[in-house]
Amino acid sequence: DVKVTQSSRYLVKRTGEKVFLECVQDMDHENMFWYRQDPGLGLRLIYFSYDVKMKEKGDIPEGYSVSREKKERFSLILESASTNQTSMYLCASSFGLSGRATDTQYFGPGTRLTVL
Amino acid sequence: AQSVTQPDIHITVSEGASLELRCNYSYGATPYLFWYVQSPGQGLQLLLKYFSGDTLVQGIKGFEAEFKRSQSSFNLRKPSVHWSDAAEYFCAVGVEGGSYIPTFGRGTSLIVHP
Repeated sequence: DVKVTQSSRYLVKRTGEKVFLECVQDMDHENMFWYRQDPGLGLRLIYFSYDVKMKEKGDIPEGYSVSREKKERFSLILESASTNQTSMYLCASSFGLSGRATDTQYFGPGTRLTVL
Repeated sequence: AQSVTQPDIHITVSEGASLELRCNYSYGATPYLFWYVQSPGQGLQLLLKYFSGDTLVQGIKGFEAEFKRSQSSFNLRKPSVHWSDAAEYFCAVGVEGGSYIPTFGRGTSLIVHP
């Protein structure tokens, strides 16, 4: 079974702090994704990566950056956390060899981030 | 670009009753369609997917979905709901040759009454 793990289930940070959210997948997937999930808004894509050191902006990249130094690890960085970044953050991965949006995505359990 | 609509934000059913969750998509060609479930406090898990062939697709946990091209729909069904089915359900659509990212609907929250 594919396993996607996220470093924290719950995180509380203060405004202005730099925040790192880590995601690791164990199935050699090419593609990795970061979403945020808010009530009534569903999933919104922040960034995705289709290869090591490659990244693409999603729908809401402002205030976020990402890092993918190794294939299995995809990090989301909040450069200076703000209260409007309080949300559930979901990481996902997909195989990618066939490419494109036909691949099943495998999700981590999520990190609920609260910014005070 | 493709889009997905889940018209129902919340659905409430009694345990043992049948269930149908609606999903409509907008795309010119044959889409690739997915249903995911998110149990409380968890990430999303794939229930089933449709790429081609038989338009009635069986998934895990006793769910099925039917692709109806004429109605641009991919509704999720279950004949008898269990209390453990209470969750958020997301429909998603991908397109061949499109981006790496499927488009997700906003989700339908299923509430199950005993």
